[in-house]
Amino acid sequence: EAQVTQNPRYLITVTGKKLTVTCSQNMNHEYMSWYRQDPGLGLRQIYYSMNVEVTDKGDVPEGYKVSRKEKRNFPLILESPSPNQTSLYFCASLGLTGFTGELFFGEGSRLTVL
Amino acid sequence: KQEVTQIPAALSVPEGENLVLNCSFTDSAIYNLQWFRQDPGKGLTSLLLIQSSQREQTSGRLNASLDKSSGRSTLYIAASQPGDSATYLCAVRTPGGTSYGKLTFGQGTILTVHP
Repeated sequence: EAQVTQNPRYLITVTGKKLTVTCSQNMNHEYMSWYRQDPGLGLRQIYYSMNVEVTDKGDVPEGYKVSRKEKRNFPLILESPSPNQTSLYFCASLGLTGFTGELFFGEGSRLTVL
Repeated sequence: KQEVTQIPAALSVPEGENLVLNCSFTDSAIYNLQWFRQDPGKGLTSLLLIQSSQREQTSGRLNASLDKSSGRSTLYIAASQPGDSATYLCAVRTPGGTSYGKLTFGQGTILTVHP
């Protein structure tokens, strides 16, 4: 089954404690992206990657890092989380080869920073 | 800068009604438009994808239309059911940034269908 898998789905942490949210897709997609969703602000793009070792900033990259060492994985790293990073995070992917432009999303990871 | 607006913000209807959700965008130079469904606390599920060269797409009880020149798309849901209750988001992909372009989301319409 084609899917985008995120872990953890729920996480409560404290300010300053580094954490990583993993994202993996099994569709051999080149493009992967991270979004955060906040009430009243909608979905905003954090970082994206066009392929292995190619990453770039989205609209709200401050406080986040990403890496793309393998095609299937695109982890989101919060080096020093702060309460304003409490949010619902989504990973998404799509194939660029012969692509239709259809984006596939993971189930989401709800992060609370105390 | 592309802006996407969804109207209404919330909609409550009795079961069985046919309904229309609206999505408007400011820049008509789009690649495609995608409708998603989001259940509370869950991820986004793709419903329909309309390419810029298409006028409509259908899947079961769902029909999405696209009028690029006027910057509008509608999602028509026939014979609504309580299981259709969710937030519906539209997203527009426009040129810019990368070869993939840029995706801009609307704020969504919260749909509640009463039994």
